[in-house]
Amino acid sequence: DAKTTQPPSMDCAEGRAANLPCNHSTISGNEYVYWYRQIHSQGPQYIIHGLKNNETNEMASLIITEDRKSSTLILPHATLRDTAVYYCIVRFNSGGSNYKLTFGKGTLLTVNP
Amino acid sequence: GAVVSQHPSWVICKSGTSVKIECRSLDFQATTMFWYRQFPKQSLMLMATSNEGSKATYEQGVEKDKFLINHASLTLSTLTVTSAHPEDSSFYICSARETGGGGGYTFGSGTRLTVV
Repeated sequence: DAKTTQPPSMDCAEGRAANLPCNHSTISGNEYVYWYRQIHSQGPQYIIHGLKNNETNEMASLIITEDRKSSTLILPHATLRDTAVYYCIVRFNSGGSNYKLTFGKGTLLTVNP
Repeated sequence: GAVVSQHPSWVICKSGTSVKIECRSLDFQATTMFWYRQFPKQSLMLMATSNEGSKATYEQGVEKDKFLINHASLTLSTLTVTSAHPEDSSFYICSARETGGGGGYTFGSGTRLTVV
């Protein structure tokens, strides 16, 4: 799986949009970009994933650059409960269930009042 | 949505004893489940891939005789930490993905193991 690079930490004001970047310059054509987050002492939570088109769900939006070498996770209106470590993971997605996820160090997002 | 239940949420055991952690997919079948370990202020490290009806696949450096994995049904995988030592104290997390599903992986809430 392609390696990802994320800033170790970011701050965001409550109510503002949080934009979390991720670089994945070695991504291959059949690899998806996944985002998870982990609130302290809990299991990771799936947020969103995409291949090349921008994606949006009830939690966030995922913007993938045209060359697919980087992406941005957007939390449109950050709340204090969004304080967590956010992981960007690139991996192959065939629909099979046996492809493991490898976690990097992620970005600690701190939402401030 | 898909739910993975992990039990217990925390456990304290004496050094030298064994501890079993259960991971259940509540509303879907999972032929494959994954076990991770996370030390304080570190990221998740994959320990092993649990396969229903067959042997688990362990990551390099993980002792298979110490961390016994059993995946006897399509909804249950167990991790047994044998002869636990204080250095095994960690946060253990399982995950699963519905077979044939195209979405994300679902994680359990984790088990905090403390060996005293």
